Amino acid sequence: DTGVSQDPRHKITKRGQNVTFRCDPISEHNRLYWYRQTLGQGPEFLTYFQNEAQLEKSRLLSDRFSAERPKGSFSTLEIQRTEQGDSAMYLCASSLARGADNQPQHFGDGTRLSIL
Amino acid sequence: SQQGEEDPQALSIQEGENATMNCSYKTSINNLQWYRQNSGRGLVHLILIRSNEREKHSGRLRVTLDTSKKSSSLLITASRAADTASYFCATDELYNQGGKLIFGQGTELSVKP
Repeated sequence: DTGVSQDPRHKITKRGQNVTFRCDPISEHNRLYWYRQTLGQGPEFLTYFQNEAQLEKSRLLSDRFSAERPKGSFSTLEIQRTEQGDSAMYLCASSLARGADNQPQHFGDGTRLSIL
Repeated sequence: SQQGEEDPQALSIQEGENATMNCSYKTSINNLQWYRQNSGRGLVHLILIRSNEREKHSGRLRVTLDTSKKSSSLLITASRAADTASYFCATDELYNQGGKLIFGQGTELSVKP
């Protein structure tokens, strides 16, 4: 399967714990995005990378959240000191940027985070 | 924050009927995209329509875009039970260099066999 893969699919943790999610994009894609989706809502943009550079972060991304994409390949999203409100589906997507033309994004199946 | 609204929030039809979903948005855009999401899964890209296009087809899908009204519609013809899913419109805003998408709240489509 050469699509976007995310790990783990599900994560249950206690409030206050740290969690880390991983995303492996489609190999030739240079852009990688993180979104968060709560029940009954559309995804909300969190941050994106072009290669290894993090170029934009949403106001939703508090200082407890950090994302990295070392070497411009896989990415990790870490949430420190988790709170109840962090419970959501965390979606990763990737795309191939061609100049000014923004291409469709390919999504993984997400990591569902539940905070007890 | 969500870019716009989708209408209806939920739609239930019989197999073979057509399904129409509408999307309104707030800002000028580069393009508008439609995605499908099956329960518990990621989003699947369906179709992209650019701001200078008015209509686009892909198989049983027909998308229209009215930039003067800041609205779009997605028509699925001859629906099948397998079309049951949530459908989201997403906008790529004008001057957006990075391609981030702003999603609507979605329409939940149920196609009964």
